[in-house]
Amino acid sequence: NAGVTQTPKFQVLKTGQSMTLQCAQDMNHNSMYWYRQDPGMGLRLIYYSASEGTTDKGEVPNGYNVSRLNKREFSLRLESAAPSQTSVYFCASSAQGITEAFFGQGTRLTVV
Amino acid sequence: DQQVKQNSPSLSVQEGRISILNCDYTNSMFDYFLWYKKYPAEGPTFLISISSIKDKNEDGRFTVFLNKSAKHLSLHIVPSQPGDSAVYFCAASSNSGGSNYKLTFGKGTLLTVNP
Repeated sequence: NAGVTQTPKFQVLKTGQSMTLQCAQDMNHNSMYWYRQDPGMGLRLIYYSASEGTTDKGEVPNGYNVSRLNKREFSLRLESAAPSQTSVYFCASSAQGITEAFFGQGTRLTVV
Repeated sequence: DQQVKQNSPSLSVQEGRISILNCDYTNSMFDYFLWYKKYPAEGPTFLISISSIKDKNEDGRFTVFLNKSAKHLSLHIVPSQPGDSAVYFCAASSNSGGSNYKLTFGKGTLLTVNP
């Protein structure tokens, strides 16, 4: 039972490059989220998808786009990476009406 | 504006003693509170939660207390074990407007339990 799976686990990008972070969950959850964690900042919500077919901005959406491909998958895209996007990115999911979210292991992204 | 505050970046306790982690919030619309535990290089894992209609919730060695009037909650770990050494995040959500799935996190407290 994998839970929430994120790929890749590590990535180094040059400024201006683009990439997509992948996330998949096998718990049949309706809601999915992308957070970023920076030193001394806790976890901040980038985008979320309350259900398949819907996406909404979170606290720090600038520079990112998302796609809820189907119920299982929720991807995060950086169109033109900037050093300020160096962070650890976590994908999470939760069941409908349930606040407790399950997190993936994270993607450590460095933009040079 | 930080809505969930964990004012202690770190805490060190002896094995077997009580660990008390504190969290304050400013948004009176928050009505559900959670604690997550995070080990290095892993994702956060859910630990315990409490609804605003309660003032205490207990699960084994972990107890969360909520003081709504003070907008304060705390996590008690008794007895503390070396394996409890991790970063603990306080999180909150609001059911208003159907947004009960969005969590607002504090900055975390690094707990170190010394053998």
